[in-house]
Amino acid sequence: GDSVTQMEGPVTLSEEAFLTINCTYTATGYPSLFWYVQYPGEGLQLLLKATKADDKGSNKGFEATYRKETTSFHLEKGSVQVSDSAVYFCALSYLGTGNQFYFGTGTSLTVIP
Amino acid sequence: KAGVTQTPRYLIKTRGQQVTLSCSPISGHRSVSWYQQTPGQGLQFLFEYFSETQRNKGNFPGRFSGRQFSNSRSEMNVSTLELGDSALYLCASSKGTEISYEQYFGPGTRLTVT
Repeated sequence: GDSVTQMEGPVTLSEEAFLTINCTYTATGYPSLFWYVQYPGEGLQLLLKATKADDKGSNKGFEATYRKETTSFHLEKGSVQVSDSAVYFCALSYLGTGNQFYFGTGTSLTVIP
Repeated sequence: KAGVTQTPRYLIKTRGQQVTLSCSPISGHRSVSWYQQTPGQGLQFLFEYFSETQRNKGNFPGRFSGRQFSNSRSEMNVSTLELGDSALYLCASSKGTEISYEQYFGPGTRLTVT
């Protein structure tokens, strides 16, 4: 079946440090891949997406590249800020399948000044 | 543009009771999906409605049901509540077409079963 595996958290970084959150997936077809972010007390927000192999999604300084050969979609940011503290979810979905998303368990990030 | 709204935001129920949660999608969105979020299981897909029809369903018991109205608003019902149903229930809306299927999440309803 389809599933997403994320690196275990929590992750604590100092401001301006480099961030990597690992995400790998198992898919029965050719999915689109997503990163969502959840700030405390809020719902999930779409951070970035990639719909086919070798696509790079980017937003707010975050990037992730869809790597079919390694079935990965790692999230990176060159210099994190305190405001990036949140829980990050990797997810996959297929076009035309009724919007069913498969989410990873989430990785909590805390950035300290 | 108003976002996805969910009511109520917090709910406390007793085992054996039933509960109904409501979700109003973004205007123009015809698809509403429901998810259960718990610390142990993470985010799990419950079901998705599109134009008043259930289009997809996750692996949850029949105690969990939903419906969608002609204005795209959706309700989720859980009957015979169990302690394990305590969770954050998230609703997400999208246009529902193949071209654009990005989901927009509401803030969730925190259900506590005692």
